[in-house]
Amino acid sequence: KAGVTQTPRYLIKTRGQQVTLSCSPISGHRSVSWYQQTPGQGLQFLFEYFSETQRNKGNFPGRFSGRQFSNSRSEMNVSTLELGDSALYLCASSDGTTPWGDTQYFGPGTRLTVL
Amino acid sequence: AQTVTQSQPEMSVQEAETVTLSCTYDTSESDYYLFWYKQPPSRQMILVIRQEAYKQQNATENRFSVNFQKAAKSFSLKISDSQLGDAAMYFCAYRSALNYGGSQGNLIFGKGTKLSVKP
Repeated sequence: KAGVTQTPRYLIKTRGQQVTLSCSPISGHRSVSWYQQTPGQGLQFLFEYFSETQRNKGNFPGRFSGRQFSNSRSEMNVSTLELGDSALYLCASSDGTTPWGDTQYFGPGTRLTVL
Repeated sequence: AQTVTQSQPEMSVQEAETVTLSCTYDTSESDYYLFWYKQPPSRQMILVIRQEAYKQQNATENRFSVNFQKAAKSFSLKISDSQLGDAAMYFCAYRSALNYGGSQGNLIFGKGTKLSVKP
């Protein structure tokens, strides 16, 4: 099976702009989670989508939002970009249906730089 | 809230030698999962090994094994016969086994340990 793919791999934006990142999960996986990785804060959970519904959310401002489509592909949007949003954004997919949790598999990430 | 601590920011090992990376966690839950992920310079996060808390037997994957001490809340990773390709950041992660509103819970990561392998 193909792995998790993320596009674009690199992105440069300026403060105040908005950005949309895309993630395609492993075929058959219905859960997509997003994480932000920065040198200072490490890896932090943003949100999780399953069957087009957000079912878990981390502690990030409302400028960070996401959605999931019927084919399980997910997009993450950040509005009004700030310098501190510069980070590696990682997407992870999992089956999402087993009652006791399952393993998350990560994509290569999107490196966002805000100038 | 659960926390994961990796006390060794950097470690170094000679090729073919064995190295152990430490991880401790704090939780009041009895059921959970623990993971070690590897992140090489390419930044792709790769699953190394997974441990279910209800299993007493330590997980093993080829040259990688864990020492899971539930009472001590310790989850160390041992890499045997280290190879140059093992050089990477290693992250320890915790995931609750409880089901909150349908969610299986997110991963909580430690700050990572940078492993260097000397030829």
